Amino acid sequence: AQKITQTQPGMFVQEKEAVTLDCTYDTSDQSYGLFWYKQPSSGEMIFLIYQGSYDEQNATEGRYSLNFQKARKSANLVISASQLGDSAMYFCAMRVEYKLSFGAGTTVTVRA
Amino acid sequence: GAGVSQTPSNKVTEKGKYVELRCDPISGHTALYWYRQSLGQGPEFLIYFQGTGAADDSGLPNDRFFAVRPEGSVSTLKIQRTERGDSAVYLCASSLRGSGASYNEQFFGPGTRLTVL
Repeated sequence: AQKITQTQPGMFVQEKEAVTLDCTYDTSDQSYGLFWYKQPSSGEMIFLIYQGSYDEQNATEGRYSLNFQKARKSANLVISASQLGDSAMYFCAMRVEYKLSFGAGTTVTVRA
Repeated sequence: GAGVSQTPSNKVTEKGKYVELRCDPISGHTALYWYRQSLGQGPEFLIYFQGTGAADDSGLPNDRFFAVRPEGSVSTLKIQRTERGDSAVYLCASSLRGSGASYNEQFFGPGTRLTVL
């Protein structure tokens, strides 16, 4: 069974600052994918970034980067230069074959 | 192009009633998934379709829940004898393929918020 742990229920960040969201995972599978999704108050799940278990370089997508430490089984999301529109719930997820398992999420509030 | 759509967006029903939730995946996506998201939690996997068949229904909580995808496109999640604990947002997602792809993004619909009174 796969388990995703997000230990930060909520975080506040000042506009234009960077924020790191923690995610650890547990799996016995060697092949898996790690995802981060953003869920604003409107409810849709927005894909942000992906990291494959065999990828050696950390993934980056614009202001999002994933700090992948395979030995520690961690996949932290870094959002740089935070914007007010970044205020949302953020979910870390792991996919093994077809099944996505999600963490409990972290609420990010960006302050002006 | 059109994304995943779900209808209705909101459904309020009484305990004991039957409900159907519909999902229209992205055209050409062979894989379809249903998830349930309770308040303040992450989505939980319910069922996965590859084409018309349910390849994995291990996440369905009990036999009151059933899902179909008769023509390999639209899917319907059916809940019999609803209970207050069924209240949640039901999310549908689709992807081009199911397993076997190293990167296989699941595109989510806006969800159906089910409230059982």
